[in-house]
Amino acid sequence: EVQLVEAGGGLVQPGGSLRLSCAASGFTFSSPWMYWVRQAPGKGLVWVARINGDESVTGYTDSVKGRFTISRDNAKNALYLQMNSLRAEDTAIYYCAKDGAYHIDYWGQGTLVTVSS
Amino acid sequence: QSALTQPRSVSGSPGQSVTISCTGTSSDVGGYDYVSWYQQDPGKAPKLMIYDVSKRPSGVPDRFSGSKSGNSASLTISGLQAEDEADYHCCSYAGRSTFVFGGGTKLTVL
Repeated sequence: EVQLVEAGGGLVQPGGSLRLSCAASGFTFSSPWMYWVRQAPGKGLVWVARINGDESVTGYTDSVKGRFTISRDNAKNALYLQMNSLRAEDTAIYYCAKDGAYHIDYWGQGTLVTVSS
Repeated sequence: QSALTQPRSVSGSPGQSVTISCTGTSSDVGGYDYVSWYQQDPGKAPKLMIYDVSKRPSGVPDRFSGSKSGNSASLTISGLQAEDEADYHCCSYAGRSTFVFGGGTKLTVL
């Protein structure tokens, strides 16, 4: 059974940093693309970042470029999102998600990030 | 990338059929046969219901069906049941391993 468990969310002041992590199990973690997707309170889903299996390719939505960094440790079956220079508009539930070949087939339960003074 | 356009809400009575639309552009919905739909209960993670426009993962009832025409896609739920009440999100592959989502549609079963 595929499981994705996020951790690391919390309350942070504007300009601060957080590092999210996602523990994966139930599949060969080193193979698929992995994603971070976020959902602001009462809003829709937004793709945030992507990374391929061997970490050679990454990508970001425009609003987080230069501030967020996605990475993975295939030996630990873990996905990460380093978030710097956080803004109020980054407040959201952040989901770790697994690629299923041109769609997302599994999602974690999410971790809430609140950016507020 | 702009979000795909979905109605904010739809409703139907038990046993009826409802259709949720999802409109994009030629760069996403119209450019790829990779539209997916997700069901999300309050406070829960999204669940895959339809992928590749019209395919159902194992375990998803055949009451759920998907289609696409041009830059628009649709999710149809037939034989509506109370348990179908949830938020539904459409998603399209947009090239280079990126995705664009719709704003979500709240389905109310009357």
